[in-house]
Amino acid sequence: GAGVSQSPSNKVTEKGKDVELRCDPISGHTALYWYRQSLGQGLEFLIYFQGNSAPDKSGLPSDRFSAERTGGSVSTLTIQRTQQEDSAVYLCASSQGQGRSAEAFFGQGTRLTVV
Amino acid sequence: AQSVSQHNHHVILSEAASLELGCNYSYGGTVNLFWYVQYPGQHLQLLLKYFSGDPLVKGIKGFEAEFIKSKFSFNLRKPSVQWSDTAEYFCAVNRAFSGGYNKLIFGAGTRLAVHP
Repeated sequence: GAGVSQSPSNKVTEKGKDVELRCDPISGHTALYWYRQSLGQGLEFLIYFQGNSAPDKSGLPSDRFSAERTGGSVSTLTIQRTQQEDSAVYLCASSQGQGRSAEAFFGQGTRLTVV
Repeated sequence: AQSVSQHNHHVILSEAASLELGCNYSYGGTVNLFWYVQYPGQHLQLLLKYFSGDPLVKGIKGFEAEFIKSKFSFNLRKPSVQWSDTAEYFCAVNRAFSGGYNKLIFGAGTRLAVHP
């Protein structure tokens, strides 16, 4: 695709409900990242995929958070039993290959609000 | 803890003033360094990057950054800012891990406001 696409762009959910956030990376990009952006907190690393496997899940805040990637392409970030502190912008990025110099391209993000 | 530190959270400048945003990282070994910019309402985009060679890197829109290995720093500079440079700027470090993968770690960001 032309760029990284995330959906939905905005999501308002009630506390305790589950949500799924979707990321469509740039076609052919093998690496995929999820980050969380909160006001004044910068970009918090959540999880990294290389192909369909996730060698680094260290940033997931709790066991309510999970992510998967299928076919080396689309990724879904799932938050179960959402809490108000989960409110943030969730960003997805993809890059080509594993090289350290590979540029990461970002989507517009999903703004999640838990009420 | 391994981290990326940006010293200024908010910077306010007048047009034509010079800009320098600090970035320090705490990783040893070989790293690649990036500055990303997020204009209001837009997605993050790459401003410039360093991975080898000349430590003075030039990016888009007149920005440059200097990698000083001994200081673990990668400060962003621009001689004369414009109102359109109003944005949030993120420093990032990409380093390799023993599992054969890389992780891109970001600083907290610096919000720059340029007044006409």
